[in-house]
Amino acid sequence: AQSVTQLDSQVPVFEEAPVELRCNYSSSVSVYLFWYVQYPNQGLQLLLKYLSGSTLVKGINGFEAEFNKSQTSFHLRKPSVHISDTAEYFCAVREDSSYKLIFGSGTRLLVRP
Amino acid sequence: DGGITQSPKYLFRKEGQNVTLSCEQNLNHDAMYWYRQDPGQGLRLIYYSQIVNDFQKGDIAEGYSVSREKKESFPLTVTSAQKNPTAFYLCASSATGFPYNEQFFGPGTRLTVL
Repeated sequence: AQSVTQLDSQVPVFEEAPVELRCNYSSSVSVYLFWYVQYPNQGLQLLLKYLSGSTLVKGINGFEAEFNKSQTSFHLRKPSVHISDTAEYFCAVREDSSYKLIFGSGTRLLVRP
Repeated sequence: DGGITQSPKYLFRKEGQNVTLSCEQNLNHDAMYWYRQDPGQGLRLIYYSQIVNDFQKGDIAEGYSVSREKKESFPLTVTSAQKNPTAFYLCASSATGFPYNEQFFGPGTRLTVL
């Protein structure tokens, strides 16, 4: 069955340090992959998406992610984080021919000064 | 500006009462969705609708009901049958042309049962 795993529930990091948030999925068919960000008491905002083509995807706010089909991963990275990046980040997967998005449990990024 | 609105932002309910959460979109999207968010559990799909007058149960539909009488609106009713309704509820919408149907989210409604 389709599922998404975000192994890290919380990632603390100092300001201006690099960060990687991990996402692994399981699916036997072609997938489309998404990263969303959620600030406290708000809805979700799309950071980036992989639909096809280049496996390195660039998104808003300096984030990027790389799709690795052999490892079924879609890790999110940022070379230098800011205090304002403190938020919850969700990885989501949609199988081809399905409207349903399957979300991971989220990773809380905590950026410290 | 195009977007999704949800009201109210905060909602308090007594046990045994039904409540209805509003979701409206002006993005001209055919598909709409309702999710429930609990701490540490990510988002779980309650109901979704791909077209007016049609909707399907998601993974946790028990105790909830929806209607889709207009393209722009997809209200969610939390009934007294829902055992643990306190949660953050998110509405989303998307176009239906594959594969570019990323979902756009509203700001959410926080429901608390007193």
